Amino acid sequence: DTGVSQNPRHKITKRGQNVTFRCDPISEHNRLYWYRQTLGQGPEFLTYFQNEAQLEKSRLLSDRFSAERPKGSFSTLEIQRTEQGDSAMYLCASSLSLRMEGKLFFGSGTQLSVL
Amino acid sequence: AQKITQTQPGMFVQEKEAVTLDCTYDTSDPSYGLFWYKQPSSGEMIFLIYQGSYDQQNATEGRYSLNFQKARKSANLVISASQLGDSAMYFCAMRGQNDYKLSFGAGTTVTVRA
Repeated sequence: DTGVSQNPRHKITKRGQNVTFRCDPISEHNRLYWYRQTLGQGPEFLTYFQNEAQLEKSRLLSDRFSAERPKGSFSTLEIQRTEQGDSAMYLCASSLSLRMEGKLFFGSGTQLSVL
Repeated sequence: AQKITQTQPGMFVQEKEAVTLDCTYDTSDPSYGLFWYKQPSSGEMIFLIYQGSYDQQNATEGRYSLNFQKARKSANLVISASQLGDSAMYFCAMRGQNDYKLSFGAGTTVTVRA
């Protein structure tokens, strides 16, 4: 068990470019979450996968954002035509249990800076 | 929808003293869970403690305890015997009974002074 892994740790891009982040959850975890966190704020939910099915998407997830989880293993989050407002920390989390007390295990995040 | 409010943006505490972090919540779900996470400067969110809405006793995990007052809709975190390594941002979060996700508050920054 190596924990939740996210790559890259940091990404600097120019406005208008596309970026893709990767998340590798804990191997036996079938539930995967993406959150976005801006400086000084709490994480905001973006989307949720159960195995390969994307079951919930936040209204924060505009058409420029797409997430996938092929084969129910790793997940990718792509942002097209990046804007300066997309600058944030993108956190991935996974869990095994959907019981009320099922905690989320988080990765260290990908810090995106859009210039 | 769940709403979490943390009104203390930052707190200072002397090493070895206790500190209480406030958290109030709002939900229409009859059953829910409350969580506290720690986020050091490295960025990773670390789970600290969990309280279920129907749990009879307040949760404790080592130096962490949760002061749960259901009627007031508050779930304050108490850190006893503060250590320098406790300096971090702390988030209160909750999950309703039909929720997949956790909803987080804005967080409280704790700085422990030697």
